[in-house]
Amino acid sequence: NAGVTQTPKFRVLKTGQSMTLLCAQDMNHEYMYWYRQDPGMGLRLIHYSVGEGTTAKGEVPDGYNVSRLKKQNFLLGLESAAPSQTSVYFCASSYPHDEQYFGPGTRLTVT
Amino acid sequence: SQELEQSPQSLIVQEGKNLTINCTSSKTLYGLYWYKQKYGEGLIFLMMLQKGGEEKSHEKITAKLDEKKQQSSLHITASQPSHAGIYLCGADIGGNKLVFGAGTILRVKS
Repeated sequence: NAGVTQTPKFRVLKTGQSMTLLCAQDMNHEYMYWYRQDPGMGLRLIHYSVGEGTTAKGEVPDGYNVSRLKKQNFLLGLESAAPSQTSVYFCASSYPHDEQYFGPGTRLTVT
Repeated sequence: SQELEQSPQSLIVQEGKNLTINCTSSKTLYGLYWYKQKYGEGLIFLMMLQKGGEEKSHEKITAKLDEKKQQSSLHITASQPSHAGIYLCGADIGGNKLVFGAGTILRVKS
């Protein structure tokens, strides 16, 4: 099993550009999450999903959109990237009331 | 909102020494998770604690949740270079959503 995978691993964007981060899991988990990690701030939840076709806002949702069209995939979109969105993005998945499994992360730089 | 404070922010220990990392919550903890992160990588699950007074161990790492369920500690016995990394605590705030502490950076000198 691959677990949780994320693509791409690295990306550099210019301000105003858009992009989509892809997260895939092969563990048949119901729940999926997108976090961002910034120095000294731990991980902060952006959006999450409790099942196919459902999404909800987390702690820092502004500037991001998500979609969960298939159970195994969770997409994070940036419509108009800003330098404040420079961060490391992590995807995670889990069963209800169970530990979350994390992907390896995507390092995004917005210039 | 629930906040988690981790201490210390960073720690350098000599190989073989014991160490403790603390995680304190502003509210009662209903599920406390410990993760380890190696530089440039994702998070690896270590342990989950739910009950007041609960203690779990795995190899040389022991995690405890106090009776009041507002503080957890992670203790490493006889540290090794493989223990180096960032340790994060996460609290379940409902709906399986986690809020994380800022992390503790551990360096082990050999």
